[in-house]
Amino acid sequence: AQSVTQLGSHVSVSEGALVLLRCNYSSSVPPYLFWYVQYPNQGLQLLLKYTTGATLVKGINGFEAEFKKSETSFHLTKPSAHMSDAAEYFCAVSVDTDKLIFGTGTRLQVFP
Amino acid sequence: DAMVIQNPRYQVTQFGKPVTLSCSQTLNHNVMYWYQQKSSQAPKLLFHYYDKDFNNEADTPDNFQSRRPNTSFCFLDIRSPGLGDAAMYLCATSGSRETQYFGPGTRLLVL
Repeated sequence: AQSVTQLGSHVSVSEGALVLLRCNYSSSVPPYLFWYVQYPNQGLQLLLKYTTGATLVKGINGFEAEFKKSETSFHLTKPSAHMSDAAEYFCAVSVDTDKLIFGTGTRLQVFP
Repeated sequence: DAMVIQNPRYQVTQFGKPVTLSCSQTLNHNVMYWYQQKSSQAPKLLFHYYDKDFNNEADTPDNFQSRRPNTSFCFLDIRSPGLGDAAMYLCATSGSRETQYFGPGTRLLVL
């Protein structure tokens, strides 16, 4: 069965600092991997996705993620945090179905 | 712009009073989803439609029903809302194992 683990339910960084949100997945077949962001009282917005090809994926708002098959990871990074990045972030995996398996989410706080 | 629309954004209902939430899309996607999201939790899939083919999750309560009269519209009916059904309800669409696009959600309050 597929699963997604997000390490750290809360991450706090200072404005301008590196953002690193961790995601590990479990899948016996090549997965499609996604990162979504959710602002308060909003739906989920796609940040980026990996399907095939280049393992370093660039998304919106300066975020990127790297698919590492050997580590079964898909960590999300951003070189310099902005106050506007404060939100909930969800990693998700899709394997051979129309369904997404979500991680439990990581709440990012950005301090001035 | 092509999008997923949910109405209303906020819905207040009374304990046991049926309520319907609506979702529409202009993306012409064949798959539509309903999720329930409680505070500080990941979205939980209730059911999805592949065209008109309805797929219910095993742990979705019978109290929740859905209708999809055409490609563009999908409805979530809660027959007898309980206090535990208060949550954000998210609609999403996709073009089959592709990216899911989410609407802004409807926050349901049960009094």
